[in-house]
This record gives sequence, structure tokens and C-alpha cells, in this order.
Amino acid sequence: DAGVIQSPRHEVTEMGQEVTLRCKPISGHNSLFWYRQTMMRGLELLIYFNNNVPIDDSGMPEDRFSAKMPNASFSTLKIQPSEPRDSAVYFCASSLQAGETQYFGPGTRLLVL
Amino acid sequence: GENVEQHPSTLSVQEGDSAVIKCTYSDSASNYFPWYKQELGKRPQLIIDIRSNVGEKKDQRIAVTLNKTAKHFSLHITETQPEDSAVYFCAARNSGGSNYKLTFGKGTLLTVNP
Repeated sequence: DAGVIQSPRHEVTEMGQEVTLRCKPISGHNSLFWYRQTMMRGLELLIYFNNNVPIDDSGMPEDRFSAKMPNASFSTLKIQPSEPRDSAVYFCASSLQAGETQYFGPGTRLLVL
Repeated sequence: GENVEQHPSTLSVQEGDSAVIKCTYSDSASNYFPWYKQELGKRPQLIIDIRSNVGEKKDQRIAVTLNKTAKHFSLHITETQPEDSAVYFCAARNSGGSNYKLTFGKGTLLTVNP
């Protein structure tokens, strides 16, 4: 099993640019999560999808952030326009069902200059 | 919503000693408590979890205890080794409508000195 796959692993961009992060959950998992990790705020849930449908986006910081899950094997998190305070590690995680163990991807380390 | 407090934020022990990390939670409806280990630059990985119908669970050198009345749970690592050095996160989740949502503590940086 390849586990959760994320790309890119590292992203450096300039303020104002659009950033797209990608995630492929574990095959057969119907729940997908996007998290942001910073030293100040720890691990924060941004958005949760179940069967490709966004269920809880209350953690999305503002309208600059958007997420999609067009099918069961792919999700994107987009930031437009990016700001320096968006610099963080963004993790995607998936679970077999809601309430089951969450498995994290390797993360995308984002630096916005 | 749920709030999870984790202590200490840093912990340094000598190899072979035990390490204990403690967490408290606020929502009495929470019934699932996982612990994740995150090595530097790596992803969080589940190392052990406990559900509210048991008070203790062990897996080799790792154990977790749960006190539902006091709403706290702890991670115990015995005979620590340098490879145990990492950041450890506790989390809590309830069984209600938001049973998908893990609320994480801020983490404990454990350093095991050889």
C-alpha cells in the first residue's frame, strides 16, 4: 500500500501567487482531511470530505483557501492569493470511514516569501 | 468544542528512563484518544490509541492510561531509546455528529539522551 500521497513536497512561492497542493488518499478510504501545522497553532483541521463531499470546512481560514475533491482518489487545496502567514506544513490524511484511524501523508512544506 | 491541553511541551530523559506525557480534554462526550509520533520532518504516525471503555492499553514499551472522571489520559514510554526522540501529540474525538474530528494537543518534544 503506497499510503497517502501528497505533492509537491516543498513549495516556495512569492506573496500573491496561487498555490495548489495535491493529495491522493489511500485506496478505499472514504474520508479525507486537510490539516495545517504551525509552531504557534499546532495541527489544525482545515476541511473534511466524506465520499468526496465537503462536510466540515469551518477550519478554512478565509476565502483565499479553497478545496475540492473531484473523485475518490484526488483532492486539491488551493490558496489564492498566497500570503507569508500561510507558510506552514500542510498535511492530507485519510481514513477508511469517519471515526476510523487517520493516516497522514508526508506533507507539503509551503514557504510564501 | 473540544479543547485538549498537553504537558509538558518539552521533555528530556536519559536513555533507559521512563517518559510520561499527560493530556486533558474538555468534552465529556469524547471517547477515542489516539497518540501520534512525529519525527523531525516526517508525518504524524499513530502509535497507540485507547477508547473510553478501557482504562489502560499496552503495546510493548508504550502504554496509555485513561481517567474518564478526571478527563485526562497519559502516554507512558518505558526503557526509552534515542529513536523515541520525536514530537508526540495526543488527540481526542467524540462519538457524536463530529465523530470524524480529532482535536490535537500542542505536542511534546521528547529528547532521549544517549
